[in-house]
Amino acid sequence: NAGVTQTPKFQVLKTGQSMTLQCAQDMNHNSMYWYRQDPGMGLRLIYYSASEGTTDKGEVPNGYNVSRLNKREFSLRLESAAPSQTSVYFCASSERGYTFGSGTRLTVV
Amino acid sequence: AQSVTQLGSHVSVSEGALVLLRCNYSSSVPPYLFWYVQYPNQGLQLLLKYTSAATLVKGINGFEAEFKKSETSFHLTKPSAHMSDAAEYFCAVSDQRRYGGSQGNLIFGKGTKLSVKP
Repeated sequence: NAGVTQTPKFQVLKTGQSMTLQCAQDMNHNSMYWYRQDPGMGLRLIYYSASEGTTDKGEVPNGYNVSRLNKREFSLRLESAAPSQTSVYFCASSERGYTFGSGTRLTVV
Repeated sequence: AQSVTQLGSHVSVSEGALVLLRCNYSSSVPPYLFWYVQYPNQGLQLLLKYTSAATLVKGINGFEAEFKKSETSFHLTKPSAHMSDAAEYFCAVSDQRRYGGSQGNLIFGKGTKLSVKP
């Protein structure tokens, strides 16, 4: 029972580089989410997918793209990383309740 | 639009003392309310949730919260703090109805870091 699995756990990027954060859930949940956590800001929603085949912007979508590859997987892509995207990223899925992954700590230098 | 305000970014209590973490919400529809805990370098763990049943909700690790509609509050309490309670706590609100039964989007407060002194 893995729940929500995020990869990688840590990543350092140079400004302008691109990368994709991966998220997979094994609970057959319809909804999936990407949040970022910054000190003193709580968690802010980047993008969400209410069901397979749909994605929508959250509170802070600029600089990010997402793909709901199938019901299990929801990836977050940074096309051209900026230092302001240094953060901890959490993926979550939900049906009757939320389950969070353990996070990806991203540093952009 | 829904929002959550957590009063106090840092709270410090002595071991054995009462823990009170404050949360006020704003919502145009009956809300679902949650408290999550985050231990250092870990993800979020659900402590408890209010989903329009009993207004006093009991959660894990001895925590409880009371939904007060007149005060738009959902404060988290624990009668006696333990050293292991030191963590960051997040209050969150969602509109459960948006997705016909799924939990909808969670809107988080900025968090309160709880320190427990020996």
